[in-house]
Amino acid sequence: GAGVSQTPSNKVTEKGKYVELRCDPISGHTALYWYRQSLGQGPEFLIYFQGTGAADDSGLPNDRFFAVRPEGSVSTLKIQRTERGDSAVYLCASRSGQGREQFFGPGTRLTVL
Amino acid sequence: AQSVTQPDIHITVSEGASLELRCNYSYGATPYLFWYVQSPGQGLQLLLKYFSGDTLVQGIKGFEAEFKRSQSSFNLRKPSVHWSDAAEYFCAVGAGAAGNKLTFGGGTRVLVKP
Repeated sequence: GAGVSQTPSNKVTEKGKYVELRCDPISGHTALYWYRQSLGQGPEFLIYFQGTGAADDSGLPNDRFFAVRPEGSVSTLKIQRTERGDSAVYLCASRSGQGREQFFGPGTRLTVL
Repeated sequence: AQSVTQPDIHITVSEGASLELRCNYSYGATPYLFWYVQSPGQGLQLLLKYFSGDTLVQGIKGFEAEFKRSQSSFNLRKPSVHWSDAAEYFCAVGAGAAGNKLTFGGGTRVLVKP
């Protein structure tokens, strides 16, 4: 079956603009995660959804970052008033309800000019 | 809080030679441990995982890893490296029920010499 997909694959924006990044998890996966990978570093956890609710948003760096998953499937990561430091690859992963493995999408590369 | 250290930022190995990548973790309970590989421009692919039981785990592409609780380590090995193994490798520890919220190490970039 299809894996995790993320759109767009690349996003270039200007400082101060608003962006939305989308994640389509594997069908039937109830858990969804967002991570951020800065250049030369490992991914860092941002937020975790179980179903429609954010079970853990402790990794969101500040209140400019917000994520939703209104129907328990697709999720959108929203970044307001983007800053150059937000430039990174944003990775999404999903996991089945009983599983322990997270399956990652290809990521969205965000560049803030 | 959990943490993962990958002491080697870069490793260069000749094709056909053996490879070992080090991973040390810090976690208060029994960890779920993972190794992922990331090729340029690609997402993360799971190589292998440890949850419990046999401390030597086999993965895809001929990789294996050994969990050593006494050393808080989960080193990745491959007996004979292929040119296609050139990539970045990440060790990760999962916290909480069912391995939620992965914490990754900084990664080790592997270069393969012909």
